[in-house]
Amino acid sequence: DAKTTQPTSMDCAEGRAANLPCNHSTISGNEYVYWYRQIHSQGPQYIIHGLKNNETNEMASLIITEDRKSSTLILPHATLRDTAVYYCIVRVDRDDKIIFGKGTRLHILP
Amino acid sequence: GAVVSQHPSRVICKSGTSVKIECRSLDFQATTMFWYRQFPKKSLMLMATSNEGSKATYEQGVEKDKFLINHASLTLSTLTVTSAHPEDSSFYICSASGWTSGSSYNEQFFGPGTRLTVL
Repeated sequence: DAKTTQPTSMDCAEGRAANLPCNHSTISGNEYVYWYRQIHSQGPQYIIHGLKNNETNEMASLIITEDRKSSTLILPHATLRDTAVYYCIVRVDRDDKIIFGKGTRLHILP
Repeated sequence: GAVVSQHPSRVICKSGTSVKIECRSLDFQATTMFWYRQFPKKSLMLMATSNEGSKATYEQGVEKDKFLINHASLTLSTLTVTSAHPEDSSFYICSASGWTSGSSYNEQFFGPGTRLTVL
């Protein structure tokens, strides 16, 4: 079973920051938080991951609360191409199988 | 990131026939490959995990004789849907896990998916 809960859907205006929340209150000390997204009819795409520190890459930023029970994925300047389903996942290491929850369907509005 | 390919990208077959889907890691050696299926507007469901040279481990409720998985090399895994029926119509996605050049850790990469339609 997925260990995370996310809102079913969200809207964001093009050019604005999209903030996608995720709750993972039962996360273990050795579990990472991963984010993937899936654009319609494509395979999932890795976005970012972190353990306890905030992380940033060319795609997004990941903010993890101090107690690690929740996190937020930030797309700083959303574009129409960011319309996708975003999955928040917790897993121990990189070989661990990925169990997908229902994710958040993000709609970027022109 | 590393590239994982699937072939074919879409296939239409008659009920009762078998269909083979290939998953290849193009620029790295995949020690582990995973197979998922996805129904419309639903999330991905893990079907099985395969390690090179050993039998696949199937998730609960997935028929191993129906979905045959072969992971013969570090760059290729195949999923064969045997005696396909319309209810097997779905989007099948593989992922491959391994060390890529320039990476300091073992990461998972997903293929583009194969859409199977059984008539």
